[in-house]
Amino acid sequence: NAGVMQNPRHLVRRRGQEARLRCSPMKGHSHVYWYRQLPEEGLKFMVYLQKENIIDESGMPKERFSAEFPKEGPSILRIQQVVRGDSAAYFCASSPMAGHQFADTQYFGPGTRLTVL
Amino acid sequence: AQKITQTQPGMFVQEKEAVTLDCTYDTSDQSYGLFWYKQPSSGEMIFLIYQGSYDEQNATEGRYSLNFQKARKSANLVISASQLGDSAMYFCAMREGAGGTSYGKLTFGQGTILTVHP
Repeated sequence: NAGVMQNPRHLVRRRGQEARLRCSPMKGHSHVYWYRQLPEEGLKFMVYLQKENIIDESGMPKERFSAEFPKEGPSILRIQQVVRGDSAAYFCASSPMAGHQFADTQYFGPGTRLTVL
Repeated sequence: AQKITQTQPGMFVQEKEAVTLDCTYDTSDQSYGLFWYKQPSSGEMIFLIYQGSYDEQNATEGRYSLNFQKARKSANLVISASQLGDSAMYFCAMREGAGGTSYGKLTFGQGTILTVHP
């Protein structure tokens, strides 16, 4: 059973460019979370999505950041006009539907390391 | 206010010995979940163990156990028989709302770097 997939693993962008980070949840999981980890820090919640719905975006910066989880395909975290401060590791996690034995656990992908030059 | 506090920036342990990594939390919820994750130098986040606030017994997963003291709001991770491969960053995390219908965000502590010496 494949785990959470994220790509690319490493992404380099110049200031002002756009970054698109993709996340495919584990099979059977319909809940996706995005977290950001700045250097030497713990992970900070950004957004929680279910298929075609944003459930909680309280951790998302107000500008330049957006996320989606379409009916088909992976979840996308999009950062427009990147700045150096966006350099971080971005992790996606997924969890299963209600009633599953491990319904309470979020499983993480390997992360995307974004470097803004 | 910090919701998850890990007071040990770094810990050292001799191979084959046990080590305890501290975690205290703050919540007004009656239902919540507590997690530990391991982040090796390669960077991925590996789920280790979960404890629900209503679980009466401390969670165990192989060499990992969670010393859950609800009244003290602590959820310390105990690693028995440490191995060199246990050297990593360890994060404590909390999810408020631990029921099967709740999928709240995780709040993470700052982490503890564990180094296992041969």
